[in-house]
Formats: sequence, structure tokens, C-alpha cells
Amino acid sequence: EPEVTQTPSHQVTQMGQEVILRCVPISNHLYFYWYRQILGQKVEFLVSFYNNEISEKSEIFDDQFSVERPDGSNFTLKIRSTKLEDSAMYFCASTTGVGAFFGQGTRLTVV
Amino acid sequence: GESVGLHLPTLSVQEGDNSIINCAYSNSASDYFIWYKQESGKGPQFIIDIRSNMDKRQGQRVTVLLNKTVKHLSLQIAATQPGDSAVYFCAENPILTGGGNKLTFGTGTQLKVEL
Repeated sequence: EPEVTQTPSHQVTQMGQEVILRCVPISNHLYFYWYRQILGQKVEFLVSFYNNEISEKSEIFDDQFSVERPDGSNFTLKIRSTKLEDSAMYFCASTTGVGAFFGQGTRLTVV
Repeated sequence: GESVGLHLPTLSVQEGDNSIINCAYSNSASDYFIWYKQESGKGPQFIIDIRSNMDKRQGQRVTVLLNKTVKHLSLQIAATQPGDSAVYFCAENPILTGGGNKLTFGTGTQLKVEL
């Protein structure tokens, strides 16, 4: 069964450092998303991406965040200068239209 | 603001019993709803979805009920098994009314299945 894959599964970084979270969406999907989940809290929308551009973003997705689809398979989330409060699980998701299928997540810990 | 919320944070059931997990939503533009299951350390797993032109949809051992009048959604799990233990989230999406296709998640209900 096709699935969304994310790497790495865990990432520890120092405050102020840049991180890149990587995702390979399901191959025939057209819409791509990043969500995050702070420990014990609900899943929060960050950004959606369609047709090689951002289609929607939340207030969380400020200038420190960026997304890219550098080739036909990868979808990345970059955090330019990490803060302690960026520590969370980051989930990539993809879909052909409605709903979304999620990856297993990257646990980001900022120290 | 508009939000999706859950009535009970924790639900404990005996193995073999039926489980009912509830969700209230307040965005009247929501026209598509999904239930996700999230096991510890894993991503949300799609269980079942329903569009607003339906009031019931059945899957394998799961049924979703939608009451648009009171903006209420429920997930019924028949013959609950230990493997059903997880956090369950409802999520809403206003895509069919042009509200974009991001998902808004509720806070989650922890389902615990007791042997």
C-alpha cells in the first residue's frame, strides 16, 4: 500500500540552527501539507502546497519556515533558525483532493 | 473562533464492547469530515470519512454518524479490540464549499481497551 515517508524520524538540533525535514508524498497525489503536533496537543495545520506553490498557510508558518518541492518526489520543510518552541512532531501529508494521508512524522527537538 | 472539539478526553471500554467517540464542530462551512486514529509515536491514520450530504457511513467495524443540525459527529467501533487503543481525532475540511483543503483537527479522545 502506498504511503507517505518522512526522514529523519528524529532530529535534535541546537537553537538557532537550520533544519530540513524531508518527505516523499504518495506518488500520484497533487496536494501536499505540513502539520505539526506539540506533545500532548492536537495536530495543527502549517502549510499546503499545490502546483508548485503555497496555497494556504497558518499563522504558525512565519518567515522562518519555507517549503520546497525540489524534484518530482521530495517535499521539504525548512526551519531557518529554530527556536525551543519549534520542538514538536512534524507530519507531512498528501492527497489527490479531499482528506489527507499522513506520514509517520519527524520528531524535532530543539535544545 | 471556529473550532472542532471533542466531548471526552478519555474513553475506557471492555474488549468486545462497542465504542462511541464523539466530536462537535462549529464551522458551518465544513462539508467533509474524517476520523483519524493515532497510535503512540505514529502519524494520524485515516479511518473513515463522510461528506455533509450523508448522515451515516459504514466501514469495516466502524461507522461514522453526522448530525448537521447539532453539528455533531461520532465514530462507532464495533467489538472493540486491544489494537483499537489509540487517540482518535475528528478533522473537518471545508473544501467542498471552497474553503480550502486544510484539515482542522479536534483535541483527540484517548480510547483505552481493557481486557
